[in-house]
Amino acid sequence: GAGVSQSPRYKVAKRGQDVALRCDPISGHVSLFWYQQALGQGPEFLTYFQNEAQLDKSGLPSDRFFAERPEGSVSTLKIQRTQQEDSAVYLCASSPRVGKNQETQYFGPGTRLLVL
Amino acid sequence: KQEVTQIPAALSVPEGENLVLNCSFTDSAIYNLQWFRQDPGKGLTSLLLIQSSQREQTSGRLNASLDKSSGRSTLYIAASQPGDSATYLCAVRIRDDKIIFGKGTRLHILP
Repeated sequence: GAGVSQSPRYKVAKRGQDVALRCDPISGHVSLFWYQQALGQGPEFLTYFQNEAQLDKSGLPSDRFFAERPEGSVSTLKIQRTQQEDSAVYLCASSPRVGKNQETQYFGPGTRLLVL
Repeated sequence: KQEVTQIPAALSVPEGENLVLNCSFTDSAIYNLQWFRQDPGKGLTSLLLIQSSQREQTSGRLNASLDKSSGRSTLYIAASQPGDSATYLCAVRIRDDKIIFGKGTRLHILP
């Protein structure tokens, strides 16, 4: 079946531009996660949705970062007024059930963002 | 604050050798520990997931162990192959919604 997909795969933005990154989770998956992975680092948690509800946004680095999942399926991560330090790979993951700590997360291929 | 450390940061071994990747975490209050593989330009693929009550998991040539009390896990790869070359990430789940990753070990298998 189809896995998690993300678009665009690559994005080059000029400093100060706004960008929007899209994530299509696996159909029916309740939980959706966004991570930021800088070069040579492990992924770092940004935010978490359960259906359309954003339950945890503690990892968002600044108020320039905003995520939404209005219908509980597709999610968009928006970065306003991009800065060079925003350059990273943004990974999306989904998992099928709530409250099942043993469930693994299924990751998309990521969007590689380069801010010039 | 939970921190996950992976040693070594990079490793090169000849094909056919057995190898061990190490992961340590600072807080033993975890739900599970997972090993992922990441290939360049691609997302993460889950290899093995060990629940906090378990000691080890095996899949093919891979074996992962967990010693929660000491905050350590190892990933053992038997009879390594060039196709095993990738970055291996260790991650601990600390509550329903949050996973903390290490920085990874970049593995290169020499043909």
